[in-house]
Formats: sequence, structure tokens, C-alpha cells
Amino acid sequence: SQQGEEDPQALSIQEGENATMNCSYKTSINNLQWYRQNSGRGLVHLILIRSNEREKHSGRLRVTLDTSKKSSSLLITASRAADTASYFCATRLYYQLIWGAGTKLIIKP
Amino acid sequence: DAEITQSPRHKITETGRQVTLACHQTWNHNNMFWYRQDLGHGLRLIHYSYGVQDTNKGEVSDGYSVSRSNTEDLPLTLESAASSQTSVYFCASSGETGELFFGEGSRLTVL
Repeated sequence: SQQGEEDPQALSIQEGENATMNCSYKTSINNLQWYRQNSGRGLVHLILIRSNEREKHSGRLRVTLDTSKKSSSLLITASRAADTASYFCATRLYYQLIWGAGTKLIIKP
Repeated sequence: DAEITQSPRHKITETGRQVTLACHQTWNHNNMFWYRQDLGHGLRLIHYSYGVQDTNKGEVSDGYSVSRSNTEDLPLTLESAASSQTSVYFCASSGETGELFFGEGSRLTVL
């Protein structure tokens, strides 16, 4: 069953703009993770944020977590063509990792 | 460098045949997972293992089996392939940090 629901399902922006994707979930979590998947490739881990954290940064990535709203957002600043990919959130509760259906991001030159 | 490899990357088979997808990791992770990815469904967990001789069913385990005889390998077997099992299959492993490391996927077509 899918707990994480990404929004929007698809996003197309100009290179250099910022991209924001959202993830909502339904139950308590231990942590929330974001992954990137380039076309035809495996998923790559981007960032993990624990339930007691509110914000985390990694390079051009900024993740926020609002446990009261059961939601998270992934911000990619100064987007590049190489950021074109699908982005998935996954929520962990104990040993279970539950995935959303992903946001497809297209960066236009 | 540590890695996780899947083979074959592409496989075409016929309905009713047995198929085995291999997964080998050199991370020395205890936890290994098999997912399938289909349009509109995201990633769905088939089977997982938390260590040698340990295997567990995921949400879509019917028609699939796994075995864990060592730390490095978790082969996925389709006992009698069905057209509904046409999909892209991903193996992943994780250690104490909880982040998953994925293989490049195996695209299976059942005719």
C-alpha cells in the first residue's frame, strides 16, 4: 500500500528555476527519505530526515518535514538539465519503508 | 567500491517458465529487498530479508520466492511466470543508516 503521495505528479520548469515537490503520508513515521530515479536506472538516495527534524540541507536540496501535517517538501534550487528525473518519497516506520508514486520533473533548457 | 548488481538486465520468457533474477551486493548489508515497479503503482515490495536464512513476504509476494543462503545474494524466483509479472524488478540493500542502495533493475517480459 502507498503511504507517501507526491504532489504534483509531474512538473516542468525552466533551467535555473527552483523546483518544489511535496509528499504527504498517513501514519506516524521514524524518518522520511527522498530518492531520485533517472530514466531506466535504479533509485538513488538523496536525503533522509528524521521525525524529530524539521529541515535538512544537502547541496542544492532542501527538505522540510511537518509531522503535524504529515507532509514533507523537497526543494531543488537552481535546477539543471541533469535534475530531470522522477523523485520519490518513502516513509519508514520501524522496519517498513512505504513508497509514493513519484513526481516526474522535467527541466527545460 | 561497494555495489549492488542485478542480472540479467533484460529477460524475455514465456508463460509458465521458471525465471530467476540474481542480486548480488558487496556492501555487506544484512537487509535486502526485491521490488517491482509498474506505471501507476510506484514501487511495490515483493520479498525482503534481514539476514542469512531469513526471508519475509512483502505486499505482492504471490508467485515469487526468495532464498538467502549468504549475506551477498538474494535471488528472486518466479516459479511459473505469468504475463502479469511483466515488470521492472529492483533489488536493494540497506545497512544501519536505513537508506537503500538500489541495483540498476531487471526488465522482465513474459509473453
